[in-house]
Parts: sequence; structure tokens; C-alpha cells
Amino acid sequence: GAVVSQHPSWVICKSGTSVKIECRSLDFQATTMFWYRQFPKQSLMLMATSNEGSKATYEQGVEKDKFLINHASLTLSTLTVTSAHPEDSSFYICSARAGSEAFFGQGTRLTVV
Amino acid sequence: QKEVEQDPGPLSVPEGAIVSLNCTYSNSAFQYFMWYRQYSRKGPELLMYTYSSGNKEDGRFTAQVDKSSKYISLFIRDSQPSDSATYLCAFHQGGNNRLAFGKGNQVVVIP
Repeated sequence: GAVVSQHPSWVICKSGTSVKIECRSLDFQATTMFWYRQFPKQSLMLMATSNEGSKATYEQGVEKDKFLINHASLTLSTLTVTSAHPEDSSFYICSARAGSEAFFGQGTRLTVV
Repeated sequence: QKEVEQDPGPLSVPEGAIVSLNCTYSNSAFQYFMWYRQYSRKGPELLMYTYSSGNKEDGRFTAQVDKSSKYISLFIRDSQPSDSATYLCAFHQGGNNRLAFGKGNQVVVIP
């Protein structure tokens, strides 16, 4: 299947700092990528849909100024958690479509201390 | 009625047993049906993908779709300890429509 690469796989940062997570489609182009958040023992919660060359579409309740999404090319989308707080600690996962199949990155575990 | 129902109860089976998982859905517009396997602290891995009613087999895995009953299943034959993971069903309508997920089933295969 297609490969989606996500980096970093884990990151620890101090409160108030910003963290950038990258999501790349390695062997296909993705005009749309999706960003999810997952809490322990729960399913994936869609945060936003990232569209190449245009603004992301955020789900209700997700702060667009806090979770900045940039989809600058057909193979790269980034999620920046700005002014991170401990409550932002979570597992973040990106996804991209190759045809009708959806593939996920490895996930990023963010810990804010 | 929820769009997707998946009983999240943990499932423990002895090695070699058949694992049976299922999901029901209410949205008739769903055209694509998927099963993902997720190991702890990893992203979901696409296991099975289908778009038609019937069975699809891949090695020890069989995905079954019944569109008339809005019901999908995943069977794992000859289960191995390495199959211990959470299994998520997922659906979408096609195009770039969002995925709808089940809550996930945690499966433990006991050696």
C-alpha cells in the first residue's frame, strides 16, 4: 500500500512553545490530508481537513489559531501546535488518500511539560 | 442512531482461534469499507479494503460486507500473538469525504 510518513514520532516540549509535525505522502500525491487526535483507548477524532493550496477546514471545537495547518505541496502537510499547554498532550495522526484508500502516518506522541 | 457501531469490549482468544469482529452502520451512502489494525502508540495500518458486498480474503484475514444489512465483519484465522492489537472499522462515501470510524476492538491473542 501507499506510504505516509509522519515526523517526529514523539516530542516533548515546554509549555508555551510551538511544535511542528510533518506528514508526507512518499509515493503518491495527496491533494487532501486529514489530521486526527487520539486519546488513550479511544478512537480517532478528526481535527481538520488539509487541502493543498488552500485553507484547512477545521472541525467544530478545534481552534484554528492554535492548530495551524499548512499544505504547501501535494506531498506535504504540517500541523503546528502553537503555544502548547499540557492539555494539548496527545497522539496526533495524519492520513492521506490514495484513490479511495486511506493511509495513516505512524503518529506523533506530543507531551507538553 | 449512531453512524457506526462497534462493540469496543476487549476480546481475548487463545492462539490459533478464529477472531470475529463486526460493525454496523446506518449511512446508506457509505461506499467503501475498511478494517484497520492499530498497535499501541502507532498509526492505524490498513488491513482490508473493499467496496462491494461479499467476502474478500487476504491470507488469514477475511472481510465480509453485507450492504443490505449494513453490517461488516472481519475474521482472523489461526490467530497469532502478533495479531494482538486494536481493530477499527472505517467507512467513507468516496472522494475526499471524511472517514467514519468505529470505536475499535482490542484483541488479545494468548499464547
